[in-house]
Amino acid sequence: SQQGEEDPQALSIQEGENATMNCSYKTSINNLQWYRQNSGRGLVHLILIRSNEREKHSGRLRVTLDTSKKSSSLLITASRAADTASYFCATFFRGFQKLVFGTGTRLLVSP
Amino acid sequence: EAGVTQSPTHLIKTRGQQATLRCSPISGHTSVYWYQQALGLGLQFLLWYDEGEERNRGNFPPRFSGRQFPNYSSELNVNALELEDSALYLCASTLGLAGGEQYFGPGTRLTVT
Repeated sequence: SQQGEEDPQALSIQEGENATMNCSYKTSINNLQWYRQNSGRGLVHLILIRSNEREKHSGRLRVTLDTSKKSSSLLITASRAADTASYFCATFFRGFQKLVFGTGTRLLVSP
Repeated sequence: EAGVTQSPTHLIKTRGQQATLRCSPISGHTSVYWYQQALGLGLQFLLWYDEGEERNRGNFPPRFSGRQFPNYSSELNVNALELEDSALYLCASTLGLAGGEQYFGPGTRLTVT
């Protein structure tokens, strides 16, 4: 299976703490994207990092990419209760012409 | 600007029946993607349509099919429904080439009894 894996499967933290989730994938990629999903609804795009980039920031989000290890991490700083959601990484490789999603990390941020 | 819309929100069918799910992309987007998300699992790629043509297909049986209309809206048809087809079906649209940011609709929850 091409599907990536995310670690941890679930994460529970307090508001104000940082949350880190990791994504590993199996094939070459052109880019890697992170999405958020609230309560089994549609996904919202968070950030896209290209294969030649190593780090990218967007507000409280920081994404790193290590293509040699085929892994990425998403850091959410100063978490809020509203960050409670499932987070998915998705990889794109031009040869496959599709996004391959990971299994997701369920994040719970308690007030 | 209206986002991606999907209908119906919920659909309950009996095993062996056919289901039709609909998706309207963001105005100006020409590509539509369909995904299946079974309970507790990640998204599985089903189909990609662009400019009215099927561009790519995931590892699903032929009873999963669809089409894209001239106005870029799309329809997913699932024939001979099986219990394991119960899932959230998500549609996404993009502007431009594959591999870019995808904009998702709220999904259709299909339950097969």
